[in-house]
Amino acid sequence: GAVVSQHPSWVICKSGTSVKIECRSLDFQATTMFWYRQFPKQSLMLMATSNEGSKATYEQGVEKDKFLINHASLTLSTLTVTSAHPEDSSFYICSALPTPGPYEQYFGPGTRLTVT
Amino acid sequence: AQSVTQLDSQVPVFEEAPVELRCNYSSSVSVYLFWYVQYPNQGLQLLLKYLSGSILVKGINGFEAEFNKSQTSFHLRKPSVHISDTAEYFCAVSVTGDYKLSFGAGTTVTVRA
Repeated sequence: GAVVSQHPSWVICKSGTSVKIECRSLDFQATTMFWYRQFPKQSLMLMATSNEGSKATYEQGVEKDKFLINHASLTLSTLTVTSAHPEDSSFYICSALPTPGPYEQYFGPGTRLTVT
Repeated sequence: AQSVTQLDSQVPVFEEAPVELRCNYSSSVSVYLFWYVQYPNQGLQLLLKYLSGSILVKGINGFEAEFNKSQTSFHLRKPSVHISDTAEYFCAVSVTGDYKLSFGAGTTVTVRA
């Protein structure tokens, strides 16, 4: 149980285009999901908190107009990278907090984005 | 704000030997502490967590960690490692009652036969 999926697992896009990444909790509901960014050989950096039915909360320094988050249902959150540039290339990871549930985030396997 | 320092970036260890991964945190308020493991091409998996109570926390796969408030540490230990323990290990902290996690830089554990 407590499985979180991400789609796609790997995507290449051209500079200037937008790409959407989906995060789904497969066997539980999650009012709250989180989006992280991980650079090679580095830690996870929290980008934003996604709340079902309300606007996402972004961490300081994260451009909310560039990284659009939509938490449309209790099992789905999406991250859209708009007008992508090579510096947006990274590993994007989501996590989900079960509702109700243990104080524990369940993580997806991540999506590798490469912008050419 | 809270922060996490993992003191070892890489830890090579022989199979069946013990291992300790060090984690120190900084926070002006009380915190919850976590250890996660990331196997190649997989998502993070929770090894154990400290929310309150006993300072010695037992987790999955034979791992345990000890919360030391005076030294602001939460070191992870395993008495005998297996080849399958080769992975990246992350220490994380959240402020009590808040769900947002701050992660350390990670420790790469490589177990050799």
